[in-house]
Amino acid sequence: ILNVEQSPQSLHVQEGDSTNFTCSFPSSNFYALHWYRWETAKSPEALFVMTLNGDEKKKGRISATLNTKEGYSYLYIKGSQPEDSATYLCACATTDSWGKFQFGAGTQVVVTP
Amino acid sequence: DSGVTQTPKHLITATGQRVTLRCSPRSGDLSVYWYQQSLDQGLQFLIQYYNGEERAKGNILERFSAQQFPDLHSELNLSSLELGDSALYFCASSSQTGLRNYGYTFGSGTRLTVV
Repeated sequence: ILNVEQSPQSLHVQEGDSTNFTCSFPSSNFYALHWYRWETAKSPEALFVMTLNGDEKKKGRISATLNTKEGYSYLYIKGSQPEDSATYLCACATTDSWGKFQFGAGTQVVVTP
Repeated sequence: DSGVTQTPKHLITATGQRVTLRCSPRSGDLSVYWYQQSLDQGLQFLIQYYNGEERAKGNILERFSAQQFPDLHSELNLSSLELGDSALYFCASSSQTGLRNYGYTFGSGTRLTVV
């Protein structure tokens, strides 16, 4: 079983501030890293999928980077807004995982006005 | 609406009972995955089906079983329920399996409470 870890477990951000958090994963047999956004009472929604070392993806004010050699990904939120409040999940797929993902426990982000 | 339908949304049942959770994947998706999220834990993989066949199994208890039907909907059966089985159960679907799986579409989950 892969050990996918996310830190911090939770963070509180003032509206307008930028923030970032980490997903770490074993680098052996790495295939893809996924980020999902999970709002309370809703289903997780896909944000990004990254496969190549050095990949950077951006969606509005949210962006992510990937370092497969050292086994980590950062997710950045620029100018946080209350609607960014959610739990952000990362998930790792390996070359031998047959399409199933190993999820981290998530980082809960609370943006206060 | 993600296109993945899970029923029921909430379920309260007593210990020792058996329940069935249902999932209809997004139209065109052949793969169905079941995950369990218990309190303070991440999503734990239970089982995967692709086009009716079991493809991968996680730490699924022997009291749990699943199947995918010809119309591609899937059912997760939980029997001899214990208090510790209380959790949020997610179904996710994807169009491919293996390395061609580029991401899941999740259902809204079934909240199971065992009392």
